[in-house]
Amino acid sequence: QKEVEQDPGPLSVPEGAIVSLNCTYSNSAFQYFMWYRQYSRKGPELLMYTYSSGNKEDGRFTAQVDKSSKYISLFIRDSQPSDSATYLCAMSRGSGNTPLVFGKGTRLSVIA
Amino acid sequence: DSGVTQTPKHLITATGQRVTLRCSPRSGDLSVYWYQQSLDQGLQFLIQYYNGEERAKGNILERFSAQQFPDLHSELNLSSLELGDSALYFCASSKGTGDGYTFGSGTRLTVV
Repeated sequence: QKEVEQDPGPLSVPEGAIVSLNCTYSNSAFQYFMWYRQYSRKGPELLMYTYSSGNKEDGRFTAQVDKSSKYISLFIRDSQPSDSATYLCAMSRGSGNTPLVFGKGTRLSVIA
Repeated sequence: DSGVTQTPKHLITATGQRVTLRCSPRSGDLSVYWYQQSLDQGLQFLIQYYNGEERAKGNILERFSAQQFPDLHSELNLSSLELGDSALYFCASSKGTGDGYTFGSGTRLTVV
């Protein structure tokens, strides 16, 4: 079993839809949870950074962490064609000084 | 521009050869991480350096090595290259204080 599981998609939604992206993990030592966006052939860009369980909102993006279920989610409201990218979940045991473990990424297409 | 600089952007080389990839971290970041991204494996952690010292090792082959210099830039050396080493290689840096990890734009290595 991989430490972090993420459905690779692809996921295709119409413009304006609410998008839900999810990851599950097996290592209960993970404390810090991140979502990255990666456009084709570019470096991953940090979208959301959360610690432990709870919700965090930033504009159209909401990240949720449920440590009891070992499940994290990213919601994108009012999705735009510019949101079309691969979304990677990542997590670590430490606060920024331990390696990130990534999911394989979900490819999202938002159709105008 | 993320602040993390990777050179070269593209590299084409023959099997059996050796190459060096370079990374300059974001100003003030002491940790440097190297990742390999291939289509089937996703982002795989290779190695981490913190302030010049090796901090953690992941799935790094014995043919690969890295170092971090006093000015905090890092180099990843790949030797006896095989076709399967063709991938995107990313460098990321962090301050280690919980503000996330910033990725460079990567080096695309093609082994022919």
